[in-house]
Amino acid sequence: SQQGEEDPQALSIQEGENATMNCSYKTSINNLQWYRQNSGRGLVHLILIRSNEREKHSGRLRVTLDTSKKSSSLLITASRAADTASYFCATDAGGSYIPTFGRGTSLIVHP
Amino acid sequence: NAGVTQTPKFQVLKTGQSMTLQCAQDMNHEYMSWYRQDPGMGLRLIHYSVGAGITDQGEVPNGYNVSRSTTEDFPLRLLSAAPSQTSVYFCASRTKIGGTEAFFGQGTRLTVV
Repeated sequence: SQQGEEDPQALSIQEGENATMNCSYKTSINNLQWYRQNSGRGLVHLILIRSNEREKHSGRLRVTLDTSKKSSSLLITASRAADTASYFCATDAGGSYIPTFGRGTSLIVHP
Repeated sequence: NAGVTQTPKFQVLKTGQSMTLQCAQDMNHEYMSWYRQDPGMGLRLIHYSVGAGITDQGEVPNGYNVSRSTTEDFPLRLLSAAPSQTSVYFCASRTKIGGTEAFFGQGTRLTVV
């Protein structure tokens, strides 16, 4: 079964608004990563947060991690139409460095 | 820098045919993995390798074979294609150094008729 589950499955917002996606996972992790996938393309890494970190920023992206609740959130501030894509969380569990993925959140940003 | 290269990009097979999806990386990464992506299912792990000569099964390995004779290449073989294997297949690689991201190929869209 998949380790992570994103919520919501789909999100539709207007340009300029913030977009928040959540990820819950089942077992202890080494780190958690967020990836982006444009339609029909491969996944591109956005940001990685280690299990001993609580928050991380990269440009317009902000990721939080709550290991006690086994959850993470990805915030995209001031969304642009070009942010339209699917977003996936992935986790490394135990001694494995093979990431396992959730089902993803489909984000549509309307111009 | 080529990164992770998958071939072919598109393929149509008849039920029962076999084929090999190719994956090559030029980053000297130890870890390589194959995923399939179906609508609403996200990415599911098929097989993975932690180094040359070492492979293991993921979540959905049935109907697929892999081998890792070199660090660079990690081919995925469909033994006898079935319509249920219609999917988009992604190969990924990653260094064994902790705290790094995985790099993905552009995918192979496979249709089995």
